[in-house]
Amino acid sequence: GAGVSQSPRYKVAKRGQDVALRCDPISGHVSLFWYQQALGQGPEFLTYFQNEAQLDKSGLPSDRFFAERPEGSVSTLKIQRTQQEDSAVYLCASSSQRDRVSNYGYTFGSGTRLTVV
Amino acid sequence: SQQGEEDPQALSIQEGENATMNCSYKTSINNLQWYRQNSGRGLVHLILIRSNEREKHSGRLRVTLDTSKKSSSLLITASRAADTASYFCAIRSGGGADGLTFGKGTHLIIQP
Repeated sequence: GAGVSQSPRYKVAKRGQDVALRCDPISGHVSLFWYQQALGQGPEFLTYFQNEAQLDKSGLPSDRFFAERPEGSVSTLKIQRTQQEDSAVYLCASSSQRDRVSNYGYTFGSGTRLTVV
Repeated sequence: SQQGEEDPQALSIQEGENATMNCSYKTSINNLQWYRQNSGRGLVHLILIRSNEREKHSGRLRVTLDTSKKSSSLLITASRAADTASYFCAIRSGGGADGLTFGKGTHLIIQP
């Protein structure tokens, strides 16, 4: 597609429920990132994939968070047993650059706004 | 943790005026990037400046980088109502970390 697509756009989950957030990166983009953005804050890094390999998951806040990209294209961020502090916008970004230190900007999706009630 | 810090947190100016936002950071960087975010939307990449560059232009945008002071500024000239958005600086550190580290942003309001 022309841009990074995320779905759903909005998700309301009851506390304790599992959720799955989807990211369709730009076709052919090697690098894929997940970020979490709390209200009024800047995005915070969660995890990074290069193709299907998850090379960095240091930003995942707990073992309830899990991300995968099994075929090196679409990625899913799963949150188990959601809690109220998980409420945030989850942003996905992709980049065509393969190098770990990219000198190009990322293309972001519009995000999924998760509200845990 | 958020390393970049934008200043001011909020800025309101008249259409046609110039807007200047600043960013400070703490560690060595490979590059520094500026992004714009409209309400309820994703981030849009504006400009990237490498650690060995001091100034860069793109249309009405001018970015400076002072690595000795660990700071950067974004200047938007001849502002328009459509420039109303939040602006974030993002650090690509030199330590090999894979992700960008964003600041909390400057909320810019352009009054017509």
